[in-house]
Amino acid sequence: EPEVTQTPSHQVTQMGQEVILHCVPISNHLYFYWYRQILGQKVEFLVSFYNNEISEKSEIFDDQFSVERPDGSNFTLKIRSTKLEDSAMYFCASSEMAGYYGYTFGSGTRLTVV
Amino acid sequence: KQEVTQIPAALSVPEGENLVLNCSFTDSAIYNLQWFRQDPGKGLTSLLLIQSSQREQTSGRLNASLDKSSGRSTLYIAASQPGDSATYLCAVSASGGSYIPTFGRGTSLIVHP
Repeated sequence: EPEVTQTPSHQVTQMGQEVILHCVPISNHLYFYWYRQILGQKVEFLVSFYNNEISEKSEIFDDQFSVERPDGSNFTLKIRSTKLEDSAMYFCASSEMAGYYGYTFGSGTRLTVV
Repeated sequence: KQEVTQIPAALSVPEGENLVLNCSFTDSAIYNLQWFRQDPGKGLTSLLLIQSSQREQTSGRLNASLDKSSGRSTLYIAASQPGDSATYLCAVSASGGSYIPTFGRGTSLIVHP
């Protein structure tokens, strides 16, 4: 069964530092997403990406965040100047046809900002 | 804006019981609905996907139904086992262009031996 792969599984960073979270979506999928889940809370949408550009973003996804597809297989989320409240589990997801066949999520990166 | 509610928030049952988990959504113009399982501190594992034109989907001991007109989906788990202990999440994708799934808070299930 194809998988979405996320690295690292756990990242600890100091407040104010920049972090990059990595994702390898399923190879024939065209739509990519980042979600986050603060401990004990809902899974929340951050951003979607299609055809090398952002297709939609939530109000959470402000100038602190950026996404990139640096090559044909990787999809990254960069968080600049991290804050304590950025501590969360970040999930990458991909879909084949704008979700018609559903969404496949990775196992997540737990980000801890200290 | 789509709102997704899952009831109950938590459930603790003895092994062997048949269970019903509920998901309700405010906007019935949906594209599809997907049920996920999340183990503590882990990722989201897809269980069942129901397209807007379908009424139910089955996989093993799991059956999910969809009633768009009433804005509801149920996940039925037959003959529950301790290994079913996890949080079950409902994600609803709206039609009308966006298709971005909106998640409920989930139902935390414990099945004790």
